[in-house]
Amino acid sequence: GAGVSQSPSNKVTEKGKDVELRCDPISGHTALYWYRQSLGQGLEFLIYFQGNSAPDKSGLPSDRFSAERTGGSVSTLTIQRTQQEDSAVYLCASSLAVGGQPQHFGDGTRLSIL
Amino acid sequence: RKEVEQDPGPFNVPEGATVAFNCTYSNSASQSFFWYRQDCRKEPKLLMSVYSSGNEDGRFTAQLNRASQYISLLIRDSKLSDSATYLCVVSPYDSWGKLQFGAGTQVVVTP
Repeated sequence: GAGVSQSPSNKVTEKGKDVELRCDPISGHTALYWYRQSLGQGLEFLIYFQGNSAPDKSGLPSDRFSAERTGGSVSTLTIQRTQQEDSAVYLCASSLAVGGQPQHFGDGTRLSIL
Repeated sequence: RKEVEQDPGPFNVPEGATVAFNCTYSNSASQSFFWYRQDCRKEPKLLMSVYSSGNEDGRFTAQLNRASQYISLLIRDSKLSDSATYLCVVSPYDSWGKLQFGAGTQVVVTP
């Protein structure tokens, strides 16, 4: 498709389980970003990737969170040993490049930790 | 202090009226500015970029005031479909990839 694609749309899992969220950016976009948004809150930056450069991980809230981007395209965000406070919508965005370019968002993955 | 601050609203606006609201940012090194729109339980969508000279896109006008470090959005002739949360977004020059989002201003257009 033409837009940013995220899967799954919804994920419900038990506390302590690991989850993987996937993002497929817009073709040709070299920059990819992960955010999360808790109910009624603003977007919280997690991590971004730009081309082959080392990712900026400064927004990851704990070492249970990690992300990778293979082949400069698809990215996965992994949360290990999930906690209830991890419940949120995880949004992925991509842009042509880092540097003030507008970002285009996917529909998000709604994660619920029981 | 938050890096990007917005009045959460809601701004209740009669259909056809004009509404305007601001957003302030704390990082003077900020270089790029955007307004995004987010509908309930949906992803943010780019509404418009904000340029130094101010810019207009149909019924929407955005202004940037670097001296006072705020941007504004004005919506003319409000439509019911304009009801949404409007997110102010700032990109600092010294941290290009980390867009800073405000928590949003809710606008409710009423018939």
